[in-house]
Amino acid sequence: DVVLTQSPATLSVTPGERISLSCRASESVDTYLHWYQQKPNESPRLLIKYASQSISGIPSRFSGSGSGTDFTLSINGVELEDLSIYYCQQGNSLPHTFGAGTKLELK
Amino acid sequence: EVQLVESGGGLVQPGRSMKLSCAASGFTFSDYYMAWVRQAPKKGLEWVASISYEGSSTYYGDSVKGRFTISRDNAKSTLYLQMNSLRSEDTATYYCARHVYTVFDYWGQGVMVTVSS
Repeated sequence: DVVLTQSPATLSVTPGERISLSCRASESVDTYLHWYQQKPNESPRLLIKYASQSISGIPSRFSGSGSGTDFTLSINGVELEDLSIYYCQQGNSLPHTFGAGTKLELK
Repeated sequence: EVQLVESGGGLVQPGRSMKLSCAASGFTFSDYYMAWVRQAPKKGLEWVASISYEGSSTYYGDSVKGRFTISRDNAKSTLYLQMNSLRSEDTATYYCARHVYTVFDYWGQGVMVTVSS
């Protein structure tokens, strides 16, 4: 199975700053890497698909990059509503696997 | 508007069975693969199973293979998950999700399943 390692586990942020979250795969997943946001007590929401493709309705401050084994989710100007857990997921092979998540908290 | 509404969860004893349902609306159900993804309390996400458009192909995670069965009724726009031989480690919130190629693009609100004596 493909193991996705997300770092850091927790990130303390200040509103307005630009941040980057990492997702590293144990083997190449090409660009079959997707990002989800899960706010407290809510269902996950798709943020970015295929490493860098934007999703309708998602604020433009969210962007993704990477291919192969190294991927990054960036938030350009963190807002309070972004305090959530972010998961990456690979769809290159079965079983589809998720990373353990990165939690954004207020500094 | 795409809506996915799960039902059928609750408390069940180890070794017993439970069937979850997911009612879909706002899209042509038969045009999409569908999936179940679960999340144990305070834990991350785990893909459970997926099913093809007409239900002819099904796929399972190793932890549920042989115990869980995913199915669908396109006439009713409903997805199901039959869970047998339940274990304490199956305790989780179960999400129904629309599965577009390799992406889970819409998720339901989730239903809690607690396996305990």
